Amino acid sequence: NAGVTQTPKFQVLKTGQSMTLQCAQDMNHNSMYWYRQDPGMGLRLIYYSASEGTTDKGEVPNGYNVSRLNKREFSLRLESAAPSQTSVYFCASTWDGLNTGELFFGEGSRLTVL
Amino acid sequence: QKEVEQNSGPLSVPEGAIASLNCTYSDRVSQSFFWYRQYSGKSPELIMSIYSNGDKEDGRFTAQLNKASQYVSLLIRDSQPSDSATYLCAVGRNYGGATNKLIFGTGTLLAVQP
Repeated sequence: NAGVTQTPKFQVLKTGQSMTLQCAQDMNHNSMYWYRQDPGMGLRLIYYSASEGTTDKGEVPNGYNVSRLNKREFSLRLESAAPSQTSVYFCASTWDGLNTGELFFGEGSRLTVL
Repeated sequence: QKEVEQNSGPLSVPEGAIASLNCTYSDRVSQSFFWYRQYSGKSPELIMSIYSNGDKEDGRFTAQLNKASQYVSLLIRDSQPSDSATYLCAVGRNYGGATNKLIFGTGTLLAVQP
């Protein structure tokens, strides 16, 4: 029972490099989210997709782009990485747009930008 | 002012005691409130949700909500060392009648001493 799968789990980038974080869920959830978690800042929403075919900005979207490839997959792209994007990134999904508040999280992707 | 505020802790309690975790929020129209638990190096998991004023009990956990004071709390009775984790308060943000964003606090680190 995979749930939410994120890849890669660890990544080191140099400033200016690009990369894509992949996320896939096998729970047939409609809504998917990308959060970043930093010490003292908590979980902050980067982008979300309420349903297949839609994406919206969260609290901290600058420097990121997303693609909802299909119902299962939601990717996060850093076009030109900056040290300020060093963080732990969590993908999450839910069935009903958060009416129950139950987000299912992936294991996280730890990104370091040098 | 942060939208969701928590004391970062650490909150240290002896085994068997009651741990009390508190959270305040700024948006008066928020309708849904959640507590997530996050073990070190792991992803958050939902432990409690509450939508109406008053108390909601689930096993050793009790969530309390006071909308007039914009205050949510989590009580953990008979605290165990396995309860040692960071507890994240989350508030649902509604758009068009549906909750499709969760705003998280920075979390309170709980340490239960054997």
